[in-house]
Amino acid sequence: DAEITQSPRHKITETGRQVTLACHQTWNHNNMFWYRQDLGHGLRLIHYSYGVQDTNKGEVSDGYSVSRSNTEDLPLTLESAASSQTSVYFCASSGQRSNEQFFGPGTRLTVL
Amino acid sequence: AQSVTQLGSHVSVSEGALVLLRCNYSSSVPPYLFWYVQYPNQGLQLLLKYTTGATLVKGINGFEAEFKKSETSFHLTKPSAHMSDAAEYFCAVTNRDDKIIFGKGTRLHILP
Repeated sequence: DAEITQSPRHKITETGRQVTLACHQTWNHNNMFWYRQDLGHGLRLIHYSYGVQDTNKGEVSDGYSVSRSNTEDLPLTLESAASSQTSVYFCASSGQRSNEQFFGPGTRLTVL
Repeated sequence: AQSVTQLGSHVSVSEGALVLLRCNYSSSVPPYLFWYVQYPNQGLQLLLKYTTGATLVKGINGFEAEFKKSETSFHLTKPSAHMSDAAEYFCAVTNRDDKIIFGKGTRLHILP
């Protein structure tokens, strides 16, 4: 069965370190998204991609970057982790723009 | 630009009672509308969606939602709550050419 996976599921890091969160999907979807979920804010879009070599900034992109070198993967990098980036991160994918998105299980990141 | 407002960050209902979760949206064009559910420590999964056609949409686990254009609403209902319905529910909207915008979520509590 097709799926979307995220790794690691839990990560603790220190302020200033670079962190990369992995997202891998086997749906063969063109569109991939990264969100963060925080209490009181719901889901906020960080970055998204509509295909290989395409990346776009979402509403909370500062301090984050992504790259899309193949269809299956969209890694999210925190260049210099900050305590404000402690959150739960979700990756999602969809087959068409504005169609339903399929979500990964999430990565809980703690920045100390 | 689209937006979504979910009324009530927490809703409590007794087991067997009607579940009603409210969602109002703003969109400049006919929208696509979604309800997602998130169980503890999991990603979001699609409950139901409205694209075109019949305004009453049936989803999984006995949930349904009705698209009311005149009221710009897409409320989620279930006739009889079950303990397993306890989760967080997200309403989402898209204007078909852009990203999906999520509401801040409503946590549903089921009282025995």
